[in-house]
Amino acid sequence: GNSVTQMEGPVTLSEEAFLTINCTYTATGYPSLFWYVQYPGEGLQLLLKATKADDKGSNKGFEATYRKETTSFHLEKGSVQVSDSAVYFCALTFQGGSEKLVFGKGTKLTVNP
Amino acid sequence: NAGVTQTPKFQVLKTGQSMTLQCAQDMNHEYMSWYRQDPGMGLRLIHYSVGAGITDQGEVPNGYNVSRSTTEDFPLRLLSAAPSQTSVYFCASSSFGRGDPSYEQYFGPGTRLTVT
Repeated sequence: GNSVTQMEGPVTLSEEAFLTINCTYTATGYPSLFWYVQYPGEGLQLLLKATKADDKGSNKGFEATYRKETTSFHLEKGSVQVSDSAVYFCALTFQGGSEKLVFGKGTKLTVNP
Repeated sequence: NAGVTQTPKFQVLKTGQSMTLQCAQDMNHEYMSWYRQDPGMGLRLIHYSVGAGITDQGEVPNGYNVSRSTTEDFPLRLLSAAPSQTSVYFCASSSFGRGDPSYEQYFGPGTRLTVT
């Protein structure tokens, strides 16, 4: 079946550190890939997405590149801020009628000043 | 637009009680879904709907019922609550993505349910 595996957290960084959160997927076909972010006490919101191989999604200084050869979609940010503290979810879905999102388990990030 | 709204924000139930979690969206989205979020489990799909009058089961449907009588509303019913249903519940909606894999799902703020 289709699945998403994220690096387990929690991840604790100092402000301005470099962030990488690994995400790999298993899927039949060619999924679309997403990163969602959940700030404390809130629902999820889309951070970035990529719909085909070699696409790079970017938003708010975060980036992720759809790597078909390694089935990966790692999230990166060059310099994190305290306000980036949240839980990050990698997810996939398919075109062609299946709108169901498959989520990874989430990675909690804490950024200290 | 209010987006996706959920009520209540918090609820405590006793085992065996029933209740309905409400979800509404004002974006005219065809697709709506319910997820539960448990520590270390990520989000798991309970039920979903691709339009009024059409619902289907997700990954963890047991113990939950849904209906979709209007485009706007997608309530989730717990017929006989169990402690295993203690969780945070999120409703989400999106425009119908058939043929377009880049759609975004919009999430509500969640309902925190405790069953004692």
